[in-house]
Amino acid sequence: KNEVEQSPQNLTAQEGEFITINCSYSVGISALHWLQQHPGGGIVSLFMLSSGKKKHGRLIATINIQEKHSSLHITASHPRDSAVYICAVNIGGSRLTFGEGTQLTVNP
Amino acid sequence: EAEVAQSPRYKITEKSQAVAFWCDPISGHATLYWYRQILGQGPELLVQFQDESVVDDSQLPKDRFSAERLKGVDSTLKIQPAELGDSAMYLCASSLGTGTGELFFGEGSRLTVL
Repeated sequence: KNEVEQSPQNLTAQEGEFITINCSYSVGISALHWLQQHPGGGIVSLFMLSSGKKKHGRLIATINIQEKHSSLHITASHPRDSAVYICAVNIGGSRLTFGEGTQLTVNP
Repeated sequence: EAEVAQSPRYKITEKSQAVAFWCDPISGHATLYWYRQILGQGPELLVQFQDESVVDDSQLPKDRFSAERLKGVDSTLKIQPAELGDSAMYLCASSLGTGTGELFFGEGSRLTVL
């Protein structure tokens, strides 16, 4: 079993919809990262969380340390949000463990 | 804006040939990572450097892969000889301090082995 599980694996939405991507992990962590990867490969760091909630534009990330769970929300989704969203966690220091990613497609 | 530079962006090679990838992290970033990402999967750590020292290379196939970060700045990842299964995206990332901060990724180097 992967230490980091994401759901759903694939998500298709209509433009304007509210989107939630979930990440669960099985061990204690020092931080959780949400990353965005567009076709072509480049990865962009969206958030780094160790507690609570962070917001940047239309993106919101939350983490519940006790439940070992994090969510990434996108409000008013847009086709340019189409990408793979990856959850990664720092377990025992600087090494990152990655989830498999969630492929998001937002249709106009 | 500072960014992580990688080259080449794309590399096509025949199996048994040697391949090298280069990464220049953001200035001042002590931690540098090389990841391999196979299509449809999450990145897999190959090697992590703290300055010029290797912190973690437990997943690096050392019979064919090597990595160095001389002077603790830029880094080179080499594969010799390349095998068909090495076809993947090779991603470099860097972060400040001891690596528990925000990660900054390069655009990646896509390798195709024929």
